[in-house]
Order: sequence, then structure tokens, then C-alpha cells
Amino acid sequence: GAVVSQHPSRVICKSGTSVKIECRSLDFQATTMFWYRQFPKQSLMLMATSNEGSKATYEQGVEKDKFLINHASLTLSTLTVTSAHPEDSSFYICSARGDDYEQYFGPGTRLTVT
Amino acid sequence: GQNIDQPTEMTATEGAIVQINCTYQTSGFNGLFWYQQHAGEAPTFLSYNVLDGLEEKGRFSSFLSRSKGYSYLLLKELQMKDSASYLCAVREDSGAGSYQLTFGKGTKLSVIP
Repeated sequence: GAVVSQHPSRVICKSGTSVKIECRSLDFQATTMFWYRQFPKQSLMLMATSNEGSKATYEQGVEKDKFLINHASLTLSTLTVTSAHPEDSSFYICSARGDDYEQYFGPGTRLTVT
Repeated sequence: GQNIDQPTEMTATEGAIVQINCTYQTSGFNGLFWYQQHAGEAPTFLSYNVLDGLEEKGRFSSFLSRSKGYSYLLLKELQMKDSASYLCAVREDSGAGSYQLTFGKGTKLSVIP
């Protein structure tokens, strides 16, 4: 149990375009989902905390107008990178918190902006 | 805020024991996690400590001392597949029933024959 999926696993897009990443909790309901970003050889950095039905809470330095988060249901959160630039190329990982308060991570999405 | 420190890299021999330390400074401590992350993959959960003491799970054990702001992850009978980054993460109660998990920079463990 407690499986989290992400789609797509890899995406390449052109600079200036937008990319949407989906995070789904497959077998449990997640009232809270987290979005992380990880640059090569660096640790995970929390970008935002997303609660179902309310606005996401963004960490300092993360542009909320650039990284749009929607948590429309208890099993789905989406992260949209708008007007992507090469410096946005990174590994994006979501996690979902279940009733047991444990965080379960998705497999990650590797974004490359050319 | 939080300050989480762990060694950047460690090397150990197959079959041996290795201890990875983590120190932290935080307010509203609500648990410490250890994750394993292989290159290019998402982290996987290893252990969770919220009370002082040692938690053992197979070849992996984790220790916590809240008064010292200190934890370690102990890996026994090392295998080549244990080569990975090990992330220490501290959960902080940010009030109103919510919390935040902050990761250390990770310790890259290389297991050699």
C-alpha cells in the first residue's frame, strides 16, 4: 500500500513553454502533498506544501506565479512550471501524507528545458 | 528554521558496519527520518525516530537523542547495493496541526569490495 505515482517520469520542453506534472496517491487519500526539487548532487528542497481544497504554501524563494500548484482532490496534486527556462531543469519529486502521517514519495519527474 | 548536518561522503567495505551521523537544531521537533536515495531515484523511507533510543529494522538501525540534537543510522553487513545517498530529515511542527520536513544534504555512501 501507500503508492504515489508521478507523471510524466521524464519530460523535455522548450524554453518559454509550460509543463504540468501530476502526483497521485494510488491507494490512499492524501490531505497534504509536498513538492520538492532536487538539483544534481544536492539535497531535496521543499518548494511548497499543498493541502486539498486550499492554496498551496510556498517556501521562501519559490515563485508561486511560476510554479502553479493545484490540489483539487484527495488523490491528485499538479505542479505546473510556467514559462520554463533552462535553469528550471531539475528533478521534481512529490510526496503525499497519509493518515499514518508518514510521507510517501513519488518516483520523481526529470525536467529538461532546452 | 533548521540546521541539519551530516557528512558529505563515506566509504566502507562490503560486509562491514557503518554509522552515519546527523546533528540538527530545530524548534518544534516532531520526529527524525532517514531515507535512502539511489542516483536518479526518489528517496525511500528507512526509519523514523520520535523518542530517544534505538530503533532496529533488519540490517538498519537508527538512534535518536533529542537532548543532544543527534541521530545516527547504522548499517550492518554492508552490501554493494547499499551504495547510495542517505538523507537525514527532521520534521518540525509548524503549528495548527501542520508540519514541515526538512532534509539534510545527504551522505553519499560508497561500498567497496
